[in-house]
Amino acid sequence: SSELTQDPAVSVALGQTVRITCQGDSLRSFSATWYQLKPGQAPLLVIFLKDRRPSGIPDRFSASSSGDTASLTITGAQAEDEADYYCNSRDSSGHHLVFGGGTKLTVL
Amino acid sequence: QVQLQESGPGLVKPSETLSLTCTVTGYSIRSGYYWGWIRQPPGKGLEWMGSVHQSGTNYQNASLKSRVSISLDTSENQLSLKLTSLTTADTAVYFCARLSITGGWWYFDLWGRGTLVTVSS
Repeated sequence: SSELTQDPAVSVALGQTVRITCQGDSLRSFSATWYQLKPGQAPLLVIFLKDRRPSGIPDRFSASSSGDTASLTITGAQAEDEADYYCNSRDSSGHHLVFGGGTKLTVL
Repeated sequence: QVQLQESGPGLVKPSETLSLTCTVTGYSIRSGYYWGWIRQPPGKGLEWMGSVHQSGTNYQNASLKSRVSISLDTSENQLSLKLTSLTTADTAVYFCARLSITGGWWYFDLWGRGTLVTVSS
């Protein structure tokens, strides 16, 4: 079982704001990284180093964290943001990596 | 532009060993970074399998115990995965990815598209 917990599915109206959360004890020690997965495509890093966006990731993607919960926020969701989103961090030992179960985002 | 491309058999039999290769172009794996494998069973989430550095340092998912072996071939600029004693539960899309370890931060900054492996008799 995953040590990081995500809601299986979230929906958002086009242009509105949505928050995807990730919860786990390891997040008290290690920040979450966020990835976007679309069928048939290479997974894409969207947030790293706590709240940084790689080149090419729109600034509507942002991240925050508090205690054992990390959040990915999309402000003004677009149709192309419809995808599966996974959080990831080091586990409590610090020597391994764990992924959340993923959140399927639907843009209505 | 750095690219990663997985290759290998699409179908393997139970109890056999899976061998996958990931070819890296646009970057020399001897130059640094860790490299690793992640898989995704159908309809399920991502599972990190392990990562390795050319120095020999490696990290492995304990849940896979001794079934996993990940290695680098710097002459071919490839990383490989061997997974033994296959069962149908090993059916998944297998991704290779570059792992950046910076200070205390670990993150996969580049991924391949993945290759589907089905374990079936």
